[in-house]
Amino acid sequence: EIVLTQSPGTLSLSPGERATLSCRASQSVSSSYLAWYQQKPGQAPRLLIHDVSSRATGIPDRFSGSGSGTDFTLTISRLEPEDFAVYYCQQYGNSLTFGPGTKVDIK
Amino acid sequence: QVQLQESGPGLVKPSETLSLTCTVSGGSISPYYWSWIRQPPGKGLEWIGYMYYSGSTNYNRSLKSRVTTSVDTSKNQFSLRLTSVTAADTAVYYCARYFEGGPYLQYWGQGTLVIVSS
Repeated sequence: EIVLTQSPGTLSLSPGERATLSCRASQSVSSSYLAWYQQKPGQAPRLLIHDVSSRATGIPDRFSGSGSGTDFTLTISRLEPEDFAVYYCQQYGNSLTFGPGTKVDIK
Repeated sequence: QVQLQESGPGLVKPSETLSLTCTVSGGSISPYYWSWIRQPPGKGLEWIGYMYYSGSTNYNRSLKSRVTTSVDTSKNQFSLRLTSVTAADTAVYYCARYFEGGPYLQYWGQGTLVIVSS
């Protein structure tokens, strides 16, 4: 089973700043099956990015994904107030796993 | 717009069986993959498994011996059974539908909290 590690655990930033979140896999992610989700308190996760860099329907272009193999990045170019949340990466090999999450909070 | 709604008991006794149903509206059960995910309070997400509308399944190895899922296409529902529960199974349980283009979770229910306690 592929284990995902996310860093940092918490990212404290101000609105308008750039956020860079990292996701590292214990082995290469097959077929680039790597996604990112956003979760706000009391809500279900929302799919942001799939296939490493493709934005899901309705996701603003300030969200972008990149990476390959075992190292992946989610970038939020300019943080809006509604972007403060927890972000999870997810991969699929023969099993689906999530990373532990990165919390983006207001500095 | 596809909507999912979990239903089932919010309290289950230790050693008993947790049973949840997910009702799908705004779309059909077929020909999609459906999944259960859980999240213990204050913690991260854990994939429980998926099922295809035709009945094929794949479960998280850590839960495989205790999990059973089923699909009822006539009712547009799918279900989860988790046996021999303990306090460690206390979590918000989500049902979700896979993205058409790959193994990602596109549509989610709002989640239902299940507490395991005597």
